[in-house]
Amino acid sequence: AQKVTQAQTEISVVEKEDVTLDCVYETRDTTYYLFWYKQPPSGELVFLIRRNSFDEQNEISGRYSWNFQKSTSSFNFTITASQVVDSAVYFCALSEAQGSARQLTFGSGTQLTVLP
Amino acid sequence: DSGVTQTPKHLITATGQRVTLRCSPRSGDLSVYWYQQSLDQGLQFLIQYYNGEERAKGNILERFSAQQFPDLHSELNLSSLELGDSALYFCASSVGKGSYNEQFFGPGTRLTVL
Repeated sequence: AQKVTQAQTEISVVEKEDVTLDCVYETRDTTYYLFWYKQPPSGELVFLIRRNSFDEQNEISGRYSWNFQKSTSSFNFTITASQVVDSAVYFCALSEAQGSARQLTFGSGTQLTVLP
Repeated sequence: DSGVTQTPKHLITATGQRVTLRCSPRSGDLSVYWYQQSLDQGLQFLIQYYNGEERAKGNILERFSAQQFPDLHSELNLSSLELGDSALYFCASSVGKGSYNEQFFGPGTRLTVL
């Protein structure tokens, strides 16, 4: 069965520090999709990135970068030079192309607090 | 602003009652998804509709039902409400029906059952 594990429940850093949020997933499907969403204190969920299982190229978008490693079933998210506005809950999610979990399965989330 | 709208923003009701949550997807999106977020269960997928038809079902209780109308807006009906139904209910939409589509979430409806 599909599963997403975000072992870090809460992380606290000081502004300008780099921080990495871990995500480990389980799936039996060979084709699947990984996502990261951000939930700021206002409550809405904001889409950050989607990754296909057949594309292991890492991606960078401004201060955000993602490291996808199929060998360790991980899809980690790094924020460089963190800012107070990065404070939010971050969710990793998985969907399968063929299996029963064609809908999003979310991890439990990591609460990131960036202190000034 | 994702372009997905949900009403109402907050809803307070009593056990045993029935409520209807409404969602309008982004312009051009044909899929609508419903999710429940609670402290003990986390974010859970409830149901997906694509162009008016049910596409996928998750952990949706029999007391809950949903539909998508010809204008593509969707409603989630919750009946015989229990204290444990108190949660944040999200609607999301995407262009297509496949699992690879990124979903755009609305602001949520916070339901409190007293």
